[in-house]
This record gives sequence, C-alpha cells and structure tokens, in this order.
Amino acid sequence: DQQVKQNSPSLSVQEGRISILNCDYTNSMFDYFLWYKKYPAEGPTFLISISSIKDKNEDGRFTVFLNKSAKHLSLHIVPSQPGDSAVYFCAASGGTSYGKLTFGQGTILTVHP
Amino acid sequence: DGGITQSPKYLFRKEGQNVTLSCEQNLNHDAMYWYRQDPGQGLRLIYYSQIVNDFQKGDIAEGYSVSREKKESFPLTVTSAQKNPTAFYLCATAQRNTEAFFGQGTRLTVV
Repeated sequence: DQQVKQNSPSLSVQEGRISILNCDYTNSMFDYFLWYKKYPAEGPTFLISISSIKDKNEDGRFTVFLNKSAKHLSLHIVPSQPGDSAVYFCAASGGTSYGKLTFGQGTILTVHP
Repeated sequence: DGGITQSPKYLFRKEGQNVTLSCEQNLNHDAMYWYRQDPGQGLRLIYYSQIVNDFQKGDIAEGYSVSREKKESFPLTVTSAQKNPTAFYLCATAQRNTEAFFGQGTRLTVV
C-alpha cells in the first residue's frame, strides 16, 4: 500500500517559469515531510522540509506547501533553471527519526533552456 | 571532510552468493539506514539502526542482514535468500531532529 504518492511521473517546464511538484500521503501519523533531489546513479540530496505544524516553508527559490486536511504537499521552484533537471522525491516520516522515511515514486523534472 | 562512504560503487554477484555492501560515516550520527531503489520506484527501507548493537527491520528486510558493531559502520549483507537482489542500494545517516544524509550508492547486479 503506497502511503506516499507522486502521481506525475514527469514534468517539463521552460527555464524561468515555475515548477510545481505534487505529493499526496495517506498516513495521518506522518508529521514531517521532506523533498530530495536525485541524479541517476547518485544518492539523493536534501532540498527542503516542513513540519506538520506549519503550512509553508521557503528557502531561496524553493517553497514547500503543506495542506494537512487534504494530505497534500507541493514543491514550488521559482524561477526554474536547467540545473534543476533531476528526479524529485517526496518523503515523509513520523516522530523524531527523520531518517526512517517513506518515499514517493519520484517525479522527473526537465527544465528546458 | 565529513560524509558517508559506500563501497564498492558497482558490484556483481553470481546467483547463490552472499555479498556485503559497506557503509562508513564520519558525521558522528547515531542512526544509520539502508534503502533500496528499483527503476521507476521510490526508495524502500531495508534495515535501520538507531544505536550501536541494535537494529530493526524495515519494510523489505527479507533476504538481507546487517550488523552495527561500531557507530561509524553499518554493513549490509545481501544473502542468497533475496530473490531479486539487482538494485541500487543507498545508505543514509541521521541525527535526532535532522534530515537524513545519503551516500552515493552501490549498484548491485546479479549475473
């Protein structure tokens, strides 16, 4: 049973425009959510996170929004750059063990120059 | 410099053999994790350890074994009981209330 879902396998965006990546979850015990960026044959790198007590967290070009009632979060990248092209994973955890993560399937983002 | 080292980067195994993947960290993190990634899928948790000499099964532990004799090291053994071992294996570490950091991964192929 897929507790974290990223329903869009891929997203294509023009450079300078906004990229919006979406993620849905089903487990109400999740209280911390993270986004990771991953290149092929490399480990994921942490991008941004949000606690369930917040509904928005911003870090430079990256903003994560959390809608607890809908069990939905999204990652906004503005403006998008070609270097942002990668696979983006949404992940969730419960409690304080932030390494014990449940991942979505990933979304391949391609930013065209 | 601090980080997580996984070795080897590529590993080939004959059917019926056990192989051990290495994961070493110098971040002084208490917790260590092993994940597996298959093509087109997210990462799935195999085993994790929050303190030395203790570890717990994750979602897909069957066919795998681990040990945690030192804080810095968390090796993963893929046994012959693992039916589909070909995958990309990732080791991660975390400290309480911090995000997980990942190594560069080991790609295991059964030949």
